[in-house]
Amino acid sequence: DTEVTQTPKHLVMGMTNKKSLKCEQHMGHRAMYWYKQKAKKPPELMFVYSYEKLSINESVPSRFSPECPNSSLLNLHLHALQPEDSALYLCASSQVAGRGANVLTFGAGSRLTVL
Amino acid sequence: GQQVMQIPQYQHVQEGEDFTTYCNSSTTLSNIQWYKQRPGGHPVFLIQLVKSGEVKKQKRLTFQFGEAKKNSSLHITATQTTDVGTYFCAQGAQKLVFGQGTRLTINP
Repeated sequence: DTEVTQTPKHLVMGMTNKKSLKCEQHMGHRAMYWYKQKAKKPPELMFVYSYEKLSINESVPSRFSPECPNSSLLNLHLHALQPEDSALYLCASSQVAGRGANVLTFGAGSRLTVL
Repeated sequence: GQQVMQIPQYQHVQEGEDFTTYCNSSTTLSNIQWYKQRPGGHPVFLIQLVKSGEVKKQKRLTFQFGEAKKNSSLHITATQTTDVGTYFCAQGAQKLVFGQGTRLTINP
């Protein structure tokens, strides 16, 4: 079982749809991450939030819009996606400082298919 | 960010054989982490190495960090079918960058 919960597990959307991916953790972590993973590839960093503020945006297209409403929640809003955006989207969290800093706990992922 | 090269890309072994994956960097790393991702699953943290020459063991898994902190390895002794998956090294601070991964398959 993972301590980072992602919903939905699977999402199929058209290129004109608007949808959101959600992520929740209750470990008291103050850093949260979105990664994108294509088949047989490593996870690629998209966004990092630290203390609910966006600290890293890896030049992600604006059709992906992250949101961190509070320290436990992280959303990824999707709009006007392309078929090549189909992938597994992984949320992760970590401590910000101390021995656990940057050690990621991943959720199970949301598998997105864009038609 | 710094890139780490991971080899081999694939490794197929007979159950009971040993397995090793390597990560190499052209620059000195502050730390290195290892993750395992089972087929259809998500990455799970295994260990973090910080000190030069550090060696850590977890049952049949042995992790090493090079003296120059430019390379690391993960060695599995006497593989079991439960070891199947992709092993990633990763480095960085807030921006954690993953190596390409080594996919381990095992013939029972």
